[in-house]
This record gives sequence, structure tokens and C-alpha cells, in this order.
Amino acid sequence: AQKITQTQPGMFVQEKEAVTLDCTYDTSDPSYGLFWYKQPSSGEMIFLIYQGSYDQQNATEGRYSLNFQKARKSANLVISASQLGDSAMYFCAMRLYGGSQGNLIFGKGTKLSVKP
Amino acid sequence: GAGVSQSPSNKVTEKGKDVELRCDPISGHTALYWYRQSLGQGLEFLIYFQGNSAPDKSGLPSDRFSAERTGGSVSTLTIQRTQQEDSAVYLCASSFSFARTSGNEQFFGPGTRLTVL
Repeated sequence: AQKITQTQPGMFVQEKEAVTLDCTYDTSDPSYGLFWYKQPSSGEMIFLIYQGSYDQQNATEGRYSLNFQKARKSANLVISASQLGDSAMYFCAMRLYGGSQGNLIFGKGTKLSVKP
Repeated sequence: GAGVSQSPSNKVTEKGKDVELRCDPISGHTALYWYRQSLGQGLEFLIYFQGNSAPDKSGLPSDRFSAERTGGSVSTLTIQRTQQEDSAVYLCASSFSFARTSGNEQFFGPGTRLTVL
């Protein structure tokens, strides 16, 4: 079954430090994409970063990078130099490209709190 | 350009009433998705449209839920005879063509918070 697992319900990080949010996935489909979204307390879902299953290099977007380890089926999000505004829920999601389903499969999320 | 918009932003209704939720996707996005997020939970997929067609309705929780999309643009999600367990935030997202096999991130609207009393 296709599944996303985020094992950290909550994380704390000191401002200006780096933090890693864990995500593991389960699929037998060889073609898939992995996404991270941020959801602040306002409720909007903000797209952060994308990694394709065939991408050779880890994705990076500004302070966000994705540590993609295909053999371990993990796609951890690394946030460098944390800011107070990074406090939010973070969701890892997967989309399968091989079938007829177009939806994102979400994990349960990690609540990140950045301390001043 | 404009993002995904949803209306109403909040809806309070009485148990047993019908509600309609509206989603206006980003212009040029042919794929549209509905998700539900219950308090403190992740997102549960409900249904998606490619153009005006919904190939897979298996994510809808019950036959009280239905959705349609017209003109390849606006979509409405209808919940009939609402129940208290329907209380949640209903999120709509859109993306480029469903057939795109790389990237294709979904852009979300602000959601409709539904409360069934």
C-alpha cells in the first residue's frame, strides 16, 4: 500500500540552527514524486520543494533541501538557519505517476516550533 | 496571478442541511483536487478532476458527497444531509495537466472551514 510516514509529531529547534524533518515512504511504483508542504497556523498549504524518483541530485530551494535516499525510501526535509517564521506544520506527500491516481498521499505532519 | 480561491471561508450549518463548497482554480490548471483535513490530522483525498471528468470517486466518504466541475474551471463540492463528522477544513488544489509526469505540484486554496452543529 502507498503510504507516507512522518514519525516526529513535534520538533523544537533553536533559531538560526538547522533542523531535519523525517519522512519515509512506501510504494512499489518506480515513478513517483515527493513533495513537502508547509502549513502555518493560518491554514494555507504552501509548496516548498519537490524531488522526482529519477532525479539524480537532491533538490534544493533556498534554505530548504531534500535529503533523498532512494534505497532507504526516505525523503527528509532539511531547513537551514531556522527562522521564527518557520514555525508551522510540515507535511510530506507523494504522488504516483504510473497509474491513474493524481492525488497526493500525505503523512500526518510534523509540528515545528522555532525558539528564539 | 491569482491563486486558488475557495468560498465560503467559513460555513456553520445544522445537522441534516445540505452545503455547497466552491473552488476556483488557477487559470490554466486543468487538474483540480479536493481534500479534507480534520482537526490536527493530515489531508484526506476526496476526488480529483481532469478537465470536467472525475475518473476516480472512490475517495468520497459516502454517497452524501458529490462534486462537479463545469467549463474546466470552477468546481463545487456538495455535502447532503450533513453530519457532525463532516466538520473539517475542505481544501481545494489545482495543478497543470494530470498527465504531466514530473513535478506538477499542487497549489492549494485557503480552504473552507465547515462546522456542523
